[in-house]
Amino acid sequence: NAGVTQTPKFRVLKTGQSMTLLCAQDMNHEYMYWYRQDPGMGLRLIHYSVGEGTTAKGEVPDGYNVSRLKKQNFLLGLESAAPSQTSVYFCASRGTDYEQYFGPGTRLTVT
Amino acid sequence: AQSVTQPDIHITVSEGASLELRCNYSYGATPYLFWYVQSPGQGLQLLLKYFSGDTLVQGIKGFEAEFKRSQSSFNLRKPSVHWSDAAEYFCAVGALLTGNQFYFGTGTSLTVIP
Repeated sequence: NAGVTQTPKFRVLKTGQSMTLLCAQDMNHEYMYWYRQDPGMGLRLIHYSVGEGTTAKGEVPDGYNVSRLKKQNFLLGLESAAPSQTSVYFCASRGTDYEQYFGPGTRLTVT
Repeated sequence: AQSVTQPDIHITVSEGASLELRCNYSYGATPYLFWYVQSPGQGLQLLLKYFSGDTLVQGIKGFEAEFKRSQSSFNLRKPSVHWSDAAEYFCAVGALLTGNQFYFGTGTSLTVIP
């Protein structure tokens, strides 16, 4: 039982490049979330999903897109990376008990 | 709008001393409240949660929190801190009735002095 996994763990991009972060969970959870964590700002919600095939915007969705084609996977895409997107990205899933289970994070640097 | 305030950015305590981390929230309905802990380079782990009922909730690692509706607070406490408690602590409120979203505070960094 791996819980929530994130791929990759680290990535360096140049401005304008694109990439996709993958989140996978094996707990059969309906709800999945993408957050970014920046110093002094806590976690801010980017996008979330309440089930396969559905997505919704969170607090800071601009510059990001997401997809939930399979229940166990939630992808976060950056189409044209900007230095302001340098951050640590966390994925989480939750079940009916409202507890969120977090992945280990992806550290992204955009130069 | 929902929001969470953690007024203490950084706290330093001696090992064995008591600890209280403050959390204030703003939410129109009955809140779902959470405390998470994050060790360096790790994801977040749930310490405890409050939905309803007894306003004093017990969590893992000897932590407890008290919900005070009149003060819009959900402070985290531990009677005797251990060196392994050094970490970042986040309070969160769940706006689950309106949008399935969670809002996090900016965190409190805890340093434990031997």
